[in-house]
Amino acid sequence: QITLKESGPTLVKPTQTLTLTCTFSGFSLSTSGVGVGWFRQPPGKAPEWLALIYWDDDIRYSASLRSRLTITKDTSKDQVVLTMTNVDPVDTATYYCAHMPGAPNARGYWFDPWGPGFLVTVSS
Amino acid sequence: DIVMTQSPDSLAVSLGETATINCKSSHSILYSANNKNYLSWYQQKPGQSPKLLIYWASTRESGVPDRFGGSGAGTDFTLTISSVQAEDVAIYYCQQYYSTSYTFGQGTKLEMK
Repeated sequence: QITLKESGPTLVKPTQTLTLTCTFSGFSLSTSGVGVGWFRQPPGKAPEWLALIYWDDDIRYSASLRSRLTITKDTSKDQVVLTMTNVDPVDTATYYCAHMPGAPNARGYWFDPWGPGFLVTVSS
Repeated sequence: DIVMTQSPDSLAVSLGETATINCKSSHSILYSANNKNYLSWYQQKPGQSPKLLIYWASTRESGVPDRFGGSGAGTDFTLTISSVQAEDVAIYYCQQYYSTSYTFGQGTKLEMK
């Protein structure tokens, strides 16, 4: 059974850097084709994809947030970390990580399952 | 980015009726090399994370009731919920995974009449 769980600070001040950790089990991020993605969802809005890291360290970022995001993985700890610099109140949202199933030599799959989500508030 | 547009924004149906949710992409999400449509559908209940229902536009995820069905190709897609049950009250999202922007529709809220 695959599970993921997000963790980090619940309150961050504007201009600070937000660091979120996704701890997962039930799969290995060294398995060919697999990926872990990060999303966020402001209250009452649709989810927004932020970043994705594949088993082979191939990394993709949202074009609109690329300059502020960094995604890394620690395969030995079964964790993926997302950092977002220079946060603003508009970054207040529930942040999710999710597993991307995959196949060797393939890119682009759905995300399943998702973690329970973690609410981050940006406020002074 | 590929823009995903859902209709309607909200939908009220009676128990046992059929609900139909549409999703239109601004660009074809059919990959000609494998003839697959790179579209998924998610269900999100209040306070919960999105749950995968459908991938490849019409393949039901394991464990998803067969009253949920996906159809369509190219730019136009439909999620059909036959014989709607009370537990189907949720927001439904389509998402494309054709391009690495993984964009979602704005969501369709399903309520009971």
